[in-house]
Amino acid sequence: GAVVSQHPSWVICKSGTSVKIECRSLDFQATTMFWYRQFPKQSLMLMATSNEGSKATYEQGVEKDKFLINHASLTLSTLTVTSAHPEDSSFYICSAQRPGGGYEQYFGPGTRLTVT
Amino acid sequence: AQTVTQSQPEMSVQEAETVTLSCTYDTSESDYYLFWYKQPPSRQMILVIRQEAYKQQNATENRFSVNFQKAAKSFSLKISDSQLGDAAMYFCAYRSPITGNQFYFGTGTSLTVIP
Repeated sequence: GAVVSQHPSWVICKSGTSVKIECRSLDFQATTMFWYRQFPKQSLMLMATSNEGSKATYEQGVEKDKFLINHASLTLSTLTVTSAHPEDSSFYICSAQRPGGGYEQYFGPGTRLTVT
Repeated sequence: AQTVTQSQPEMSVQEAETVTLSCTYDTSESDYYLFWYKQPPSRQMILVIRQEAYKQQNATENRFSVNFQKAAKSFSLKISDSQLGDAAMYFCAYRSPITGNQFYFGTGTSLTVIP
């Protein structure tokens, strides 16, 4: 099956700093990637849709200036949490959509962010 | 946004027995997909089974099968011959190419398998 990676798998940062999370599709080109956030013991909530070469589309209630998404290539999307606060601590998961009929998507392994 | 509801926060099953997890959804679209994902403690999302809305036949994958009732907007997952490795959080999910293909997840059901 297709492989999607995320880096880092776990990151700790201090309040007020920024942290970048990468999502890579390793064996296919993904024109569309999605970013989800999962709080402990809760479901995955869509944050934004990332399209290669264009601005990301954010879900209602997600601050686009705080969660910067860049999809600069067909295999890489990045999520930057700016001026992180403890309430941003969460599990962030990306999914990458394979082009073609069926719209197959593959999830990355997730990134655990802890803001101290 | 589409609504996906899982009314069972926790379920338990005896090893080798059968368990059914419930899911309902709300949509006005005709073209969509439904999924069951398993999330073990590693938190990697693992696809269990997928159903295309236009297919009347229920999907099956080895010990996993679904009961897809389109008119009732119901999509339950049956796990037969439960194994210890089936213990995980299970999420029902909806996706439609009409609305951009993003996943909408239910709140999840935590499944415990009792030896």
